[in-house]
Amino acid sequence: GDSVTQMEGPVTLSEEAFLTINCTYTATGYPSLFWYVQYPGEGLQLLLKATKADDKGSNKGFEATYRKETTSFHLEKGSVQVSDSAVYFCASRDNYGQNFVFGPGTRLSVLP
Amino acid sequence: DGGITQSPKYLFRKEGQNVTLSCEQNLNHDAMYWYRQDPGQGLRLIYYSQIVNDFQKGDIAEGYSVSREKKESFPLTVTSAQKNPTAFYLCASSVTGVGGYGYTFGSGTRLTVV
Repeated sequence: GDSVTQMEGPVTLSEEAFLTINCTYTATGYPSLFWYVQYPGEGLQLLLKATKADDKGSNKGFEATYRKETTSFHLEKGSVQVSDSAVYFCASRDNYGQNFVFGPGTRLSVLP
Repeated sequence: DGGITQSPKYLFRKEGQNVTLSCEQNLNHDAMYWYRQDPGQGLRLIYYSQIVNDFQKGDIAEGYSVSREKKESFPLTVTSAQKNPTAFYLCASSVTGVGGYGYTFGSGTRLTVV
């Protein structure tokens, strides 16, 4: 079945550092891909998404590009802030709108 | 504004009690979902429903029950058969049948056994 793999956390960075969180997927077709963010004690919020190959999703300084050739959707941000400390989930959904497949989440801590 | 509301935010259960978590959405979404999240862990699917009066078991349905009598509502009951219910519970909703749509999540209910 479909699956999503994320880099193991926790990831600890200093403020203004560059962030990459790796995400790869396996799927029979070409799913839509998503990044969600969860701040402490809250639900998940959609951060960005891409629905086809070579699409780039972006929001709040975060970016991710749908790479079909490497089946990847890595999350990047050029300069992280303390307020970016959260858990980040990569997810996929097939083109029939069936249930999501979530990765295990990556905890990011940004130190001042 | 449209959204999904979970209540209560915190809930305490005594041993042997059943408790019900509420989830309501006004997004006109067909599908609704319940997930469980343990500390430092990912999401595990408990139950989901893609249409009124129908629902399916997820990966960890034992000890839980749901109903879907209205499109807007998908309550989750944690029964006394659930031996380790202390966790953070998340409800979500979505459009179905079309790719590219994400899930909308509620803000969660934290259940603690006392």
